[in-house]
Amino acid sequence: NAGVTQTPKFRVLKTGQSMTLLCAQDMNHEYMYWYRQDPGMGLRLIHYSVGEGTTAKGEVPDGYNVSRLKKQNFLLGLESAAPSQTSVYFCASSRGQVSGNTIYFGEGSWLTVV
Amino acid sequence: SQKIEQNSEALNIQEGKTATLTCNYTNYSPAYLQWYRQDPGRGPVFLLLIRENEKEKRKERLKVTFDTTLKQSLFHITASQPADSATYLCALDTGEGKLIFGQGTTLQVKP
Repeated sequence: NAGVTQTPKFRVLKTGQSMTLLCAQDMNHEYMYWYRQDPGMGLRLIHYSVGEGTTAKGEVPDGYNVSRLKKQNFLLGLESAAPSQTSVYFCASSRGQVSGNTIYFGEGSWLTVV
Repeated sequence: SQKIEQNSEALNIQEGKTATLTCNYTNYSPAYLQWYRQDPGRGPVFLLLIRENEKEKRKERLKVTFDTTLKQSLFHITASQPADSATYLCALDTGEGKLIFGQGTTLQVKP
């Protein structure tokens, strides 16, 4: 059982380039999330999805776009990367609302924008 | 604005002692609070969930308390072991289908 899988694990981008982070979960979870983690800042929610075809903004959505075309996949896109987007990105999923439900995290994607 | 605070300073304790980590929050009344463990280079892993009407929750050597009056949760690890060394995150349910996380406290258990 793979759980939550993120690709790629590491990536270096030049300022202005675009890229997509892919998240896949095999637990048939309805909810999926993208977080970023920066030193001293904790995990901050970028975007989330409560089901296939839905997306919603989190705490820090600017500069990112997401899509949930299939229930098992949640894509995070950076259209024009900036150095401020250098971070560790975590995808996560849960069976339902976080109220009372465990969130399962992927192993992270390390992104550096130079 | 909603705020969660965990002690940013690392906690160093001797093996066998009890580790106590603190999570304080303001401007919010969460129905649930969760604790996660994160090892270097890995994603967070769920440990415990406690509801607002529960004062205490236990799982093996772990104990969590939730004081809604003080707006505080305490996370205890008894008989600590070097393998318990990690960063521990608390997270609150915003009631909007989202969790917000504290910045985490790093625990170092020395043999």
